[in-house]
Amino acid sequence: GAVVSQHPSWVICKSGTSVKIECRSLDFQATTMFWYRQFPKQSLMLMATSNEGSKATYEQGVEKDKFLINHASLTLSTLTVTSAHPEDSSFYICSANPLGATYEQYFGPGTRLTVT
Amino acid sequence: SQKIEQNSEALNIQEGKTATLTCNYTNYSPAYLQWYRQDPGRGPVFLLLIRENEKEKRKERLKVTFDTTLKQSLFHITASQPADSATYLCALGGGSSASKIIFGSGTRLSIRP
Repeated sequence: GAVVSQHPSWVICKSGTSVKIECRSLDFQATTMFWYRQFPKQSLMLMATSNEGSKATYEQGVEKDKFLINHASLTLSTLTVTSAHPEDSSFYICSANPLGATYEQYFGPGTRLTVT
Repeated sequence: SQKIEQNSEALNIQEGKTATLTCNYTNYSPAYLQWYRQDPGRGPVFLLLIRENEKEKRKERLKVTFDTTLKQSLFHITASQPADSATYLCALGGGSSASKIIFGSGTRLSIRP
């Protein structure tokens, strides 16, 4: 149990276009989902906390107008990278916090974004 | 500012030995600490959680200690195997949001046969 999926697993897009990444909790409901970014050989950097039915909370230095987060249901959060640039190329990972479980987080397999 | 350090970027040990990884933190009072395993190109996989009032936790060949006075956690893998080779991340939680966690830089562990 406690499976989180991400779609797509990898995507290549042209500079200036937008890309949407989906994060789904497959067998549990999640009031809170988190979005991370990871550059090569670096650790995961928290970008934002996504709560179902409310606006996301962004970490310092993360542009909310560039990284749009929507958490429309208890099993789905989406991250849209708008007007992507090559420096946005990274590994994006989501995690989901099960309903009623404060400390548990389950991570998705990640999405590799390459902007050309 | 909050800082989490895993003071070995890479660790190479012989199969069968015990691997010990260190996680130190400053300017933080975590309610809990977690250890994750991450393989290349994959998301982290949860291994163990230890709360601030716990000193030690074990799970099969894994052992975690948590010293809130030293602000340090040690992660041990006994009887290490080549399959244990991966990057191991420590993460602290329980700050402004109970479920929000902050990751350390990770230690890349290599177990040689």
